Amino acid sequence: GNSVTQMEGPVTLSEEAFLTINCTYTATGYPSLFWYVQYPGEGLQLLLKATKADDKGSNKGFEATYRKETTSFHLEKGSVQVSDSAVYFCALRQNSGGSNYKLTFGKGTLLTVNP
Amino acid sequence: NAGVTQTPKFQVLKTGQSMTLQCAQDMNHEYMSWYRQDPGMGLRLIHYSVGAGITDQGEVPNGYNVSRSTTEDFPLRLLSAAPSQTSVYFCASSYGTRPQETQYFGPGTRLLVL
Repeated sequence: GNSVTQMEGPVTLSEEAFLTINCTYTATGYPSLFWYVQYPGEGLQLLLKATKADDKGSNKGFEATYRKETTSFHLEKGSVQVSDSAVYFCALRQNSGGSNYKLTFGKGTLLTVNP
Repeated sequence: NAGVTQTPKFQVLKTGQSMTLQCAQDMNHEYMSWYRQDPGMGLRLIHYSVGAGITDQGEVPNGYNVSRSTTEDFPLRLLSAAPSQTSVYFCASSYGTRPQETQYFGPGTRLLVL
């Protein structure tokens, strides 16, 4: 079945540091890949997505590139801010019948950015 | 658009009680789903629906019922609450089921079962 593995946190950085959160996946066929962000006490918001190999998703200074050869979708940001402190979830979605309309999530990575 | 709304935001139940978690969306989305979020486990799919009158089970359906009488609403029912159902519950929706379509999440319902 499908699965998503992302680096375990927590990750603590200073403001303006470079961020990488690793995400790899296992799936048959061609899934779409997503990064969601969850701020404290809130629901999940889509951060970015990529729907085919070599696509780059980007939003709010965050980027991730869909690498089919390495089955990866690593999240990066060049200079984090305190306001980026949140839990980040990598996820995939794939249609192959049955319950595979769902999103398959990684376990989440808690990011804390200190001033 | 209000997007995906959920009520209540927080609920405390005693073991054996029943309750319904409400979910509504105003985006005319066909696909709706319920997830539970537990520490260290990410989000797991409970039930989903691909349209009014059509529902199916996800990964962890035991102890939960759903129905979809309208496109807008997708309530989740706990028939006899158990402490293992203490969790944060999220409703999500998307226009369809294609992989590239974004699922939009509600703000969540935090449930504590004593």
